Amino acid sequence: KNEVEQSPQNLTAQEGEFITINCSYSVGISALHWLQQHPGGGIVSLFMLSSGKKKHGRLIATINIQEKHSSLHITASHPRDSAVYICAVLGSARQLTFGSGTQLTVLP
Amino acid sequence: DGGITQSPKYLFRKEGQNVTLSCEQNLNHDAMYWYRQDPGQGLRLIYYSQIVNDFQKGDIAEGYSVSREKKESFPLTVTSAQKNPTAFYLCATNPDSSGGPQHFGDGTRLSIL
Repeated sequence: KNEVEQSPQNLTAQEGEFITINCSYSVGISALHWLQQHPGGGIVSLFMLSSGKKKHGRLIATINIQEKHSSLHITASHPRDSAVYICAVLGSARQLTFGSGTQLTVLP
Repeated sequence: DGGITQSPKYLFRKEGQNVTLSCEQNLNHDAMYWYRQDPGQGLRLIYYSQIVNDFQKGDIAEGYSVSREKKESFPLTVTSAQKNPTAFYLCATNPDSSGGPQHFGDGTRLSIL
């Protein structure tokens, strides 16, 4: 079983829809990252959180440490949000363990 | 502009040849990392360096080598011993060794012919 599981693996939405991507992990962590990978391959860090909720523009990330679960929400989705979204957790070895990513496609 | 530069973006090599991937940063970050990405899998750590002249193996170091002679440079050599080198390689940095990498390069796609 992978230490970091993301769902869904693939997600197609219509422009304007509210999107949720989920991340579950099985190890103790000190922080969780949400990353965005564009078709060219470059990765951008969206959030790092260890508790509660963070918001940046149309993006919201939440984490429940007790349930070992995090969600990334996108409100009013747009075709430019199409990308791979990756969850990564920072474990006791101070290294990141990555999920396999969620491919999001937003159709106009 | 501050950032991480990986070059080249695409690299082709014949089987049995060593190849070196470049990673340069002007962020003045202490920690640098190399990851490998394969389709359908999460990024896996190859090597990381927390300070100049020091580096540690990650989860999949076999068949790879690195050096950290300068703070801004962390080249990765894919040797002929790496059994399946075709992959996407990402370099990342962090101001220090805590918290994991937060800045990523655009990657190099290596294909072995």
